[in-house]
Amino acid sequence: KAGVTQTPRYLIKTRGQQVTLSCSPISGHRSVSWYQQTPGQGLQFLFEYFSETQRNKGNFPGRFSGRQFSNSRSEMNVSTLELGDSALYLCASSFRPVPSSYEQYFGPGTRLTVT
Amino acid sequence: DAKTTQPPSMDCAEGRAANLPCNHSTISGNEYVYWYRQIHSQGPQYIIHGLKNNETNEMASLIITEDRKSSTLILPHATLRDTAVYYCIVRVEGWSGNQFYFGTGTSLTVIP
Repeated sequence: KAGVTQTPRYLIKTRGQQVTLSCSPISGHRSVSWYQQTPGQGLQFLFEYFSETQRNKGNFPGRFSGRQFSNSRSEMNVSTLELGDSALYLCASSFRPVPSSYEQYFGPGTRLTVT
Repeated sequence: DAKTTQPPSMDCAEGRAANLPCNHSTISGNEYVYWYRQIHSQGPQYIIHGLKNNETNEMASLIITEDRKSSTLILPHATLRDTAVYYCIVRVEGWSGNQFYFGTGTSLTVIP
């Protein structure tokens, strides 16, 4: 079974621009979560989508947004990029986000550099 | 807010057991403890999870104390490929779903 895929793998943008990252979950997985990883802050939860609905959101400004499509693929968008947005953005998928045990499977990430 | 506390780094001799501790003193009754690891520049990899009983799979064992305030991940025979950052995570059930709070992680170095 194919794993979680993320595109693009590397991206360089200029301050003020916007960017869209894509994530394709494992087949059959309907929950997609996004994380930001930086050397200073570590891994931080951005948001989680299930059945095209945002179920949970981390403590990030409104410049960070996302969506999920009917085929469970997800995109996240960052508008008005700042230098501090430079990070590894990770996507994780799981079968369902119900309050029971479940595992998340992570993709390789998208390395975003803002100059 | 931090939900777990881990030592920042540990060393382990190749072939020996690696015991990685995690403190989660504020854990509540229905929260699970998960362990993931991340090898440099790759996405985190699921290892194991548990609620209150000890768990074992092909990768590792998870020992949770009776009061559930701490746990230990055991890699029984560490290899060089086990060198990674290990994250202990408590799954929090939020008002609208679930969040994963990643701890600071323990950087494990397996020494030949």
